[in-house]
Amino acid sequence: SQTIHQWPATLVQPVGSPLSLECTVEGTSNPNLYWYRQAAGRGLQLLFYSVGIGQISSEVPQNLSASRPQDRQFILSSKKLLLSDSGFYLCAWTPMNTEAFFGQGTRLTVV
Amino acid sequence: KNQVEQSPQSLIILEGKNCTLQCNYTVSPFSNLRWYKQDTGRGPVSLTIMTFSENTKSNGRYTATLDADTKQSSLHITASQLSDSASYICVVSARFGGAGSYQLTFGKGTKLSVIP
Repeated sequence: SQTIHQWPATLVQPVGSPLSLECTVEGTSNPNLYWYRQAAGRGLQLLFYSVGIGQISSEVPQNLSASRPQDRQFILSSKKLLLSDSGFYLCAWTPMNTEAFFGQGTRLTVV
Repeated sequence: KNQVEQSPQSLIILEGKNCTLQCNYTVSPFSNLRWYKQDTGRGPVSLTIMTFSENTKSNGRYTATLDADTKQSSLHITASQLSDSASYICVVSARFGGAGSYQLTFGKGTKLSVIP
C-alpha cells in the first residue's frame, strides 16, 4: 500500500536560520507531489508541485524553495527563515487525478 | 481565477444533531470535488470524492451532494458525534497543463464543534 512520510512533526527555528522539511512516498512511482502551507485560521495554500524528478513549479513567490532529488522524495527548504514563514506545512501526493494523500504535517514556528 | 468558497466559517452544534456545510466553486475545467476532514494539527483525510456525473455520495454518516450546474456542493453530517469536531475542507480538482496534470484548489474550511 502507498504511504507518505513527512518530518519533523514540529519545529521551532530562529529567524534567519535555514529550513529543510522532507517528504517521502512509498508504494508508488512517479507521483505528483505537493507542498501546502496552512496559516492559522486560513485555508491550504499551494506552494510547490512537482510532476517528476527535478521538475518544480512554484505557485506563489516566497522565501521558500523546493527540490525533488528522487522520484519519491520532495524537500521544502529555505536559506533564511522569516517570521511570516510560520505555519502548518503539508506534503501531499496524488496518483493521477484520484485521491490526494496528505502527510501528517509539520508545525513550524519561527521565533 | 479558480476559487472555492465555504460556509459557514464555523459552526457549533449539539451532539446528535445534524448539520450541513456548503461549498461553492468557480473552478475550470472541473474534474472532481472532494471533501476532507482535518483534525487539529493533522493532515486532511478524505471523506468523499465526486466527479461531474455524480450527484450524491455517502460515507457512513457523511453525505455529499454535487450540483455541477450551479457549482455547489454540500456535506451533510447525520447524528453528529463529539469526534466529528474538526475542520471540513472542500477541494476542487481542475485539469491544467499537459495530460495527467491536475491542480487542487482548497476552500478555507468550516470549523465544526460538536458539544455534549
